[in-house]
Amino acid sequence: AQSVSQHNHHVILSEAASLELGCNYSYGGTVNLFWYVQYPGQHLQLLLKYFSGDPLVKGIKGFEAEFIKSKFSFNLRKPSVQWSDTAEYFCAVNAGSNAGKSTFGDGTTLTVKP
Amino acid sequence: GAGVSQSPSNKVTEKGKDVELRCDPISGHTALYWYRQSLGQGLEFLIYFQGNSAPDKSGLPSDRFSAERTGGSVSTLTIQRTQQEDSAVYLCASSLGDRGWETQYFGPGTRLLVL
Repeated sequence: AQSVSQHNHHVILSEAASLELGCNYSYGGTVNLFWYVQYPGQHLQLLLKYFSGDPLVKGIKGFEAEFIKSKFSFNLRKPSVQWSDTAEYFCAVNAGSNAGKSTFGDGTTLTVKP
Repeated sequence: GAGVSQSPSNKVTEKGKDVELRCDPISGHTALYWYRQSLGQGLEFLIYFQGNSAPDKSGLPSDRFSAERTGGSVSTLTIQRTQQEDSAVYLCASSLGDRGWETQYFGPGTRLLVL
């Protein structure tokens, strides 16, 4: 069965600090990987996704993630965070024959101090 | 255009009662998903539909949970004989198709509290 592990439950940063949120998954085959974000009071929305091609994926608001197959990882990065990045971030994997079934991590709450 | 909508937004019920949660997907989206999010936890997959069929029901926690989708559109998640551990936010999402790389668009959720 596929699973997703997000290493940090709560991250606190000051504005302009760099961000890296860890995500590891367990599945040996072809995967589709996603980062979703939930801003306070808003719905979950897609930040970025990887399904083929360049393993470095760029998303909205300056976020990027790198798929490293050998490490089963898909870490999210941003060089300089803003107060408006305060949100909860979820990593998700969708794999193999379970095309319609995505497994989500427990989420990381990011708080950016102004 | 309109996004995914869910109703009710909040539901308080007594243990043992049945509840129905509704999801209206984005028009034209053939795939629909139900998740459950308990406090401080990630999203737990419950079931997904492609059209009116449910290829994967593996996430339904017990036979008290059932879901249906009619006309390839609206879906209803029914919880019978609710228990306190059913208290959670129930999220619905839809996507254009059920291919693995499809982006899922989420609704606002239904917050269920079982007393």
